[in-house]
Amino acid sequence: EIVLTQSPGTLSLSPGERATLSCRASQTVSNNYLAWYQQKLGQAPRLLIYGASIRATGIPDRFSGSGSGTDFTLTITRLEPEDVAVFYCHQYVTSPLTFGGGTRVEIK
Amino acid sequence: EVQLVESGGGLVQPGRSLRLSCRGSGFIFGDFAVTWYRQAPGKGLEWLGLIRSFYYGGAIDYAASVRDRFTISRDDSMSIAYLQMNSLKTEDTAVYFCTRQRDVLTDFWGQGTLVTVSS
Repeated sequence: EIVLTQSPGTLSLSPGERATLSCRASQTVSNNYLAWYQQKLGQAPRLLIYGASIRATGIPDRFSGSGSGTDFTLTITRLEPEDVAVFYCHQYVTSPLTFGGGTRVEIK
Repeated sequence: EVQLVESGGGLVQPGRSLRLSCRGSGFIFGDFAVTWYRQAPGKGLEWLGLIRSFYYGGAIDYAASVRDRFTISRDDSMSIAYLQMNSLKTEDTAVYFCTRQRDVLTDFWGQGTLVTVSS
């Protein structure tokens, strides 16, 4: 099983700042089959990034993904109040499919 | 517009069974795999299993934690997938999500249905 470890647990930033979220895998995520989801309070997750760096349809370009192998990053430039959420990384290359524990992004 | 709507959740006693339904619309349901996830209160996301499309033989995979108690099925004529849950335990209390699988990627989620297992 691929274990995904996200850091930090919580990120508290001011509007307009840059958020950098990390996801580390316990083994190589082949084909960069790594996705990021955003989950706002009381809502279902929404796909932001797949293939480690490809933005899903309709996702603003202030969201970007990078990385390969075992280290991946989600960056939110110019943080907006509506970005308050928990962000999960997810590997979909190997069964069982797994998620990281999430990073909570708060606005100061 | 792609939509997935879960139903069938509620309060159930330990040891009892429950069947969840997931109705898809806005896309050709039979062309996609369906994956089930759950999220316990205040916790992260857990993959439960998936059922592939008819094109891939409708093959099913389960997470080890639920393999002996949960069964996934689908009726493409009705655009519905099911999650049959037997011998429910208190630790099965969670919001259950069905999702659409585009190739190997989960791209759309339903809003979820809450299952509470309690006496």
